[in-house]
Amino acid sequence: NAGVTQTPKFQVLKTGQSMTLQCAQDMNHEYMSWYRQDPGMGLRLIHYSVGAGITDQGEVPNGYNVSRSTTEDFPLRLLSAAPSQTSVYFCASSHPEQNSPLHFGNGTRLTVT
Amino acid sequence: EDQVTQSPEALRLQEGESSSLNCSYTVSGLRGLFWYRQDPGKGPEFLFTLYSAGEEKEKERLKATLTKKESFLHITAPKPEDSATYLCAVKGDGSEKLVFGKGTKLTVNP
Repeated sequence: NAGVTQTPKFQVLKTGQSMTLQCAQDMNHEYMSWYRQDPGMGLRLIHYSVGAGITDQGEVPNGYNVSRSTTEDFPLRLLSAAPSQTSVYFCASSHPEQNSPLHFGNGTRLTVT
Repeated sequence: EDQVTQSPEALRLQEGESSSLNCSYTVSGLRGLFWYRQDPGKGPEFLFTLYSAGEEKEKERLKATLTKKESFLHITAPKPEDSATYLCAVKGDGSEKLVFGKGTKLTVNP
């Protein structure tokens, strides 16, 4: 049982480059979300989705795009990377039932130079 | 706006020295308060969900309690393997979003 799988584990980008962080889950979870984790800031919600075809913004959505074409996948796109986007990114998923806990992937560490 | 404040930021204990971590929260209608454990280089791992004041949950050396304004994570006779960052999060009424605190980094020395 793989759970939530994030790729790549590490990535270095130059300012202005674009990339997609991949997230896949095999638990048939309807809810998926992206967080970034920065020292002293905690986990902050970027975007989330309550099901295929539905996405919404979180606390810090600027500079990021998402789409949800299938239940399993929820990619996060950086259109033009900036040094401020250097962070560790976590994808998480859960059942739609109220208060179902989030299951997290092991993160992507992104450095933008 | 939902808010979560965790204290202390860091805590260093000797093996066997019991203590508590605090999570203070403000939320418009608590749907659930969650505790997670995070090891270095890993994603957060779910520990507990608490729903209403007075509720308690236990797992091995950990016990989580909840009041109307805060939650405590009590660690009894900790071992070095309990060293991790402990995160608290809340979900409020009408929201799909989980709001996290900044965490408490616990170090247990042998």
